[in-house]
Amino acid sequence: GAGVSQSPRYKVAKRGQDVALRCDPISGHVSLFWYQQALGQGPEFLTYFQNEAQLDKSGLPSDRFFAERPEGSVSTLKIQRTQQEDSAVYLCASSSIGRTNTEAFFGQGTRLTVV
Amino acid sequence: AQRVTQPEKLLSVFKGAPVELKCNYSYSGSPELFWYVQYSRQRLQLLLRHISRESIKGFTADLNKGETSFHLKKPFAQEEDSAMYYCALSPYSGAGSYQLTFGKGTKLSVIP
Repeated sequence: GAGVSQSPRYKVAKRGQDVALRCDPISGHVSLFWYQQALGQGPEFLTYFQNEAQLDKSGLPSDRFFAERPEGSVSTLKIQRTQQEDSAVYLCASSSIGRTNTEAFFGQGTRLTVV
Repeated sequence: AQRVTQPEKLLSVFKGAPVELKCNYSYSGSPELFWYVQYSRQRLQLLLRHISRESIKGFTADLNKGETSFHLKKPFAQEEDSAMYYCALSPYSGAGSYQLTFGKGTKLSVIP
């Protein structure tokens, strides 16, 4: 495809509801990253995949957040029992090789609003 | 833990005037520094990285390890430079975009 694709673009969830956010990386990209961007803030790192392996999940804010990439391409970020503080834009990025020295391309993001 | 500080939330300059977007960082090791830009209704994209030592769209940034700064500069601002600019740090030199820490961003507005 033309770039990293995220869906849905917008999601409104009632507090306590579970949500799933999807990321389609650029075809062939090995590395995939998730970031959370709260209003007025810069993006904050959540988790990193290399192919299907989740190598770093140090940024996930709580055990309500879970990410997977079972076949090493599409990734899903799941948030269980959403709370108001989860309202943010969730960004996905992918890059072509392992960690080293390469550019990550960002998706448009999913704006999650928890009411 | 690493931190990136962008002291200006908003910077307004006239077209043709010089631009300097400030970025300071704190990290004990040897990080890699980046500038990202987000134009209106577009996705976040890499503008430049310190290891490349490139000039992109007339912008340059020099890493000053003594002052722990990575300010973004352009001698003559253009209207199309109006955007949100984020300074970012990766704790692993040469690791590309892994585990980036971003500043809060500076909105640059170029006045015609």
